[in-house]
Amino acid sequence: DGGITQSPKYLFRKEGQNVTLSCEQNLNHDAMYWYRQDPGQGLRLIYYSQIVNDFQKGDIAEGYSVSREKKESFPLTVTSAQKNPTAFYLCASTSGGRKYFGPGTRLTVT
Amino acid sequence: GQQLNQSPQSMFIQEGEDVSMNCTSSSIFNTWLWYKQDPGEGPVLLIALYKAGELTSNGRLTAQFGITRKDSFLNISASIPSDVGIYFCAGQTAGGTSYGKLTFGQGTILTVHP
Repeated sequence: DGGITQSPKYLFRKEGQNVTLSCEQNLNHDAMYWYRQDPGQGLRLIYYSQIVNDFQKGDIAEGYSVSREKKESFPLTVTSAQKNPTAFYLCASTSGGRKYFGPGTRLTVT
Repeated sequence: GQQLNQSPQSMFIQEGEDVSMNCTSSSIFNTWLWYKQDPGEGPVLLIALYKAGELTSNGRLTAQFGITRKDSFLNISASIPSDVGIYFCAGQTAGGTSYGKLTFGQGTILTVHP
């Protein structure tokens, strides 16, 4: 069963802690992306990676970091430097001009 | 930067009615995508458009890529309760550093009353 998986679905952390969100895809897509969604808003691009071992900042990269050691994996770390980390995080990958999204991880930081 | 204006922001309709929403941009796009998002889930791709003037259907959904390449619309015919959700448009520019980067509209919240 192919697709994009994100885990966990819900994540709770204390302020000041780093947290890593998982994104895995078995679609053999080269490009992967992380978006953030806040209530009532559209999606904003955090980081993206076109190939393994390469990634670029999106529009709101401050306070986040990523790695792309394997084609199928693109984890996102939300660091303590992110001022407002509570949000819904979506991972995506691209094939043939079509972008497909994972189910999302809702992160709550208190 | 690029901006997408999606309208309307929300719609409340009766089951069986047709729905229309649109997106306009200050920039030219070479691809338009339409997504539906259910609460707490990731967006699901509904329709992809690649050429100016292209009209594409997916069941009761029809979307068009505007001739100017700066706009797109989505129509839903004979709405049913499961059409409820948030609909997003997204535009993508060609190659270079913008490769694969989508600009999203703010979303249209659709409510369908039985």
